[in-house]
Amino acid sequence: AQSVTQLGSHVSVSEGALVLLRCNYSSSVPPYLFWYVQYPNQGLQLLLKYTSAATLVKGINGFEAEFKKSETSFHLTKPSAHMSDAAEYFCAVSDKNQGGKLIFGQGTELSVKP
Amino acid sequence: EPEVTQTPSHQVTQMGQEVILRCVPISNHLYFYWYRQILGQKVEFLVSFYNNEISEKSEIFDDQFSVERPDGSNFTLKIRSTKLEDSAMYFCASTAGAGGYNEQFFGPGTRLTVL
Repeated sequence: AQSVTQLGSHVSVSEGALVLLRCNYSSSVPPYLFWYVQYPNQGLQLLLKYTSAATLVKGINGFEAEFKKSETSFHLTKPSAHMSDAAEYFCAVSDKNQGGKLIFGQGTELSVKP
Repeated sequence: EPEVTQTPSHQVTQMGQEVILRCVPISNHLYFYWYRQILGQKVEFLVSFYNNEISEKSEIFDDQFSVERPDGSNFTLKIRSTKLEDSAMYFCASTAGAGGYNEQFFGPGTRLTVL
């Protein structure tokens, strides 16, 4: 069965600092991987996705993630945090054989200090 | 920009009552999903729906739950007899194609509170 683990339920960084949100997955078949962001009182918005093309994926708002099969990881990074990045971030996995359902990690709340 | 909408934003109900949560997916999408998030826990898959029938459902989606697409625009989740543990945020999502690699577009959610 597929699963996703996000290390750290809460991450705090200073404005301008590197953002690193960790995601590890478990899947018996090549996965599709997603990062979603949730701002307060809003739905989940797709940041980026990996679908077996380039292993380094660039998304919106300056975020990127690298798929590392050997480490079963898909960590999310941003070189310089902005106050507007404060939100909840969810890593999710899907595969073709599962009809498209998403399996989510526990979520990481990102705080950005001025 | 097209978006998924959900109503109501917040629903309060008494235990044992029926509730219907409503969603309007993006108009040209064909695959529909319900997820829920209990406070402090992860987002969980409930059910997927395609071509007017359930494609897949989780263990959570028992006989108390049902989904329907009554017309060409709405997609509803019904809980027949609510329990305290049904209190959660319920998200509707839709996507244009299957295959697992398509982006799912999420609505803002309905917060269900069961008293």
